[in-house]
Amino acid sequence: QVQLQQWGAGLLKPSETLSLTCAIYGTSLTGYYWSWIRQPPGKGLEWIGETNHRGSGTYNPSLKSRLTISTDTPKNQFSLRLNSVTAADTAVYYCARIDIVATNSFDPWGQGILVTVSS
Amino acid sequence: EIVLTQSPATLSLSPGERATLSCRASQSVSNHLAWYQHRPGQAPRLLIYDASNRATDIPARFSGSGSGTDFTLTISRLEPEDFVVYYCQQRSDWPRTFGQGTKVE
Repeated sequence: QVQLQQWGAGLLKPSETLSLTCAIYGTSLTGYYWSWIRQPPGKGLEWIGETNHRGSGTYNPSLKSRLTISTDTPKNQFSLRLNSVTAADTAVYYCARIDIVATNSFDPWGQGILVTVSS
Repeated sequence: EIVLTQSPATLSLSPGERATLSCRASQSVSNHLAWYQHRPGQAPRLLIYDASNRATDIPARFSGSGSGTDFTLTISRLEPEDFVVYYCQQRSDWPRTFGQGTKVE
């Protein structure tokens, strides 16, 4: 069974860098795409971006200038970095796998981590 | 970007009843639409992919239909654990987008 476990700082000040990591258990990082999705309080889900182990990926244009999604094949994990955060970046952040051969959908998801940006 | 509009925002039903959730796309997404179930405090769960295919271990009471711009998620007989939020999501064009969700209460 594939499981994703994520961690990172939950409280940031404006202008700081958001950094989250998602560890993959039960499958290899190679062969899939890996994505980040967020949900601001009281709002819907927003796709942040995705990448594969070769670094081939796509970012949401609304975040692209501040965003890096990277993979670490030996550690079987991937990471999100979002620069210059503001209160608008406060959200629950999820990592997820995309199996482009099977479902081409987000499955499974990590448990989510609340990141709050506040001075 | 493709906007997905889900209706209704809230669906009030009782256990055992049939639930019909709608997702409308601002332009055709072919059959490139998925449905997710989201329980509070938990990770979202993939229910349906490519409009009508049930994901692994998803009960048969969940079914999806539609193509182009109009899609439906049907829950044939609601179980108590089904009273949560459901999202549709398209992968036809970048960026991937989600609907705003339908809460079944």
